[in-house]
Amino acid sequence: EVQLVESGGGLVQPGGSLRLSCAASGFTVSSNYMSWVRQAPGKGLEWVSIIYSGGNTYYADSVKGRFTISRDNPKNMLYLQMNSLRAEDTAVYYCAREFPYNSGWAPGGYWGQGTLVTVSS
Amino acid sequence: QSVLTQPPSVSGAPGQRVTISCTGSSSNIGAGYDVHWYQQLPGTAPKLLIYGNSNRPSGVPDRFSGSKSGTSASLAITGLQAEDEADYYCQSYDSSLSARCVFGTGTKVTVL
Repeated sequence: EVQLVESGGGLVQPGGSLRLSCAASGFTVSSNYMSWVRQAPGKGLEWVSIIYSGGNTYYADSVKGRFTISRDNPKNMLYLQMNSLRAEDTAVYYCAREFPYNSGWAPGGYWGQGTLVTVSS
Repeated sequence: QSVLTQPPSVSGAPGQRVTISCTGSSSNIGAGYDVHWYQQLPGTAPKLLIYGNSNRPSGVPDRFSGSKSGTSASLAITGLQAEDEADYYCQSYDSSLSARCVFGTGTKVTVL
């Protein structure tokens, strides 16, 4: 069974850093497309970053240069290093795994429960 | 700001049919990329509802259906039930965006 469990959220001051973790079980992180998606309070979903099985990474313009997605293959973990945090980064952060099908893949096939990041002084 | 536009809200009585539109452009839906739909119940993580424009994952009731035409896609819910009250998001791929993946603006479905 595919399971994703995020951790590492919390309260951080503007300009600070935080690293989110996503523990995966039931599959191999390095063999799949893994994403971070966030949702600000009362707002919609926003794609933050994705890492493909081959290692290519992509970021939303809003976080490019500040956030870094990575994975630890032996630990089967996904990470999101967040630097220079701003108030507008306040959100619940979800990790997600793709759902593959014959002609493609859906990025959000499996989701964790999310972890809340609050950026405030 | 999302490049996929959805109506903020739709509503219907139990048993009725409602549809949610997702309007994109030539760099996403119109470019031939698949559209996927997600359901987010209050206080929970999103759940994949429709993949590849019109396919349902195992366990999703057949009252949910999806379609795509040109630069738009639609989600239909027939036989609306109280448990369908949730937020719904379309999602596709956009080659012009740095993040590549993009969500729609989201639609709140209210069961009257």
